[in-house]
Amino acid sequence: KNEVEQSPQNLTAQEGEFITINCSYSVGISALHWLQQHPGGGIVSLFMLSSGKKKHGRLIATINIQEKHSSLHITASHPRDSAVYICAPLRGGSQGNLIFGKGTKLSVKP
Amino acid sequence: GAGVSQSPSNKVTEKGKDVELRCDPISGHTALYWYRQRLGQGLEFLIYFQGNSAPDKSGLPSDRFSAERTGESVSTLTIQRTQQEDSAVYLCASARDRVGEQYFGPGTRLTVT
Repeated sequence: KNEVEQSPQNLTAQEGEFITINCSYSVGISALHWLQQHPGGGIVSLFMLSSGKKKHGRLIATINIQEKHSSLHITASHPRDSAVYICAPLRGGSQGNLIFGKGTKLSVKP
Repeated sequence: GAGVSQSPSNKVTEKGKDVELRCDPISGHTALYWYRQRLGQGLEFLIYFQGNSAPDKSGLPSDRFSAERTGESVSTLTIQRTQQEDSAVYLCASARDRVGEQYFGPGTRLTVT
C-alpha cells in the first residue's frame, strides 16, 4: 500500500467550478506540502502546513493530523490553474525527506 | 541568486559514462534535497543534507549514485556508469531547515542513450 494516496488522479472542470483534491497518508509526519507542477515541469510549493487551514488567494489547504488527511481546494477555478497537484508529507523524526503522492492532473476548461 | 539553480539544464550522455549534476541552493538554507522524476512517473526522494550532519542517503537507488555538499552551499550529484533507466529529471530543493518550506530548482533533464 502506498504511504500517500491522492484522489482523484485526473480531474476536468469547467472554469469557475470549486475543486477539491484529497490526500491521505499512513506515516507519521511533521508537516505536509502541497506542490504544483506546471506542464513545463517546474515545481512550486503552494502550502506547507502542520495543522488547521491556510489560504492564499483562491487556494485553501486543510489538514487533520489525527485523521491523517489533507485537502486542497481551489475556488473559482481558472484555466491557468491547470497543472498537476502533488501532496507531499514531510516524514517525522530525524528523517527530513518528502514522500510524494502520485499527483492529481487538473484541467480547467474555459 | 534569488532561487535554487541547477546545472546543466539538459544533459545527454552515453550509457556507461559518468555524469555530475550541480545544485546551488538559496543562501542560508541549511537543508538540501535531491529528487528524481522519471518520465510519466511521480517524484522520488534520493538524498537529504542537513547542515553538517551525515546525509540521509536512504533514497539512493544504487551504489552508482553519490552526492556531496560543501558546507551549506553547492551540492553535486554524481551518477557513475549511467544506465538508460537513469534517464529522468533530477530536481534539487533547499529549505531554511528540516521543517521549512522547500524551494525547488528547475531541474536537470538527463537522457542516457
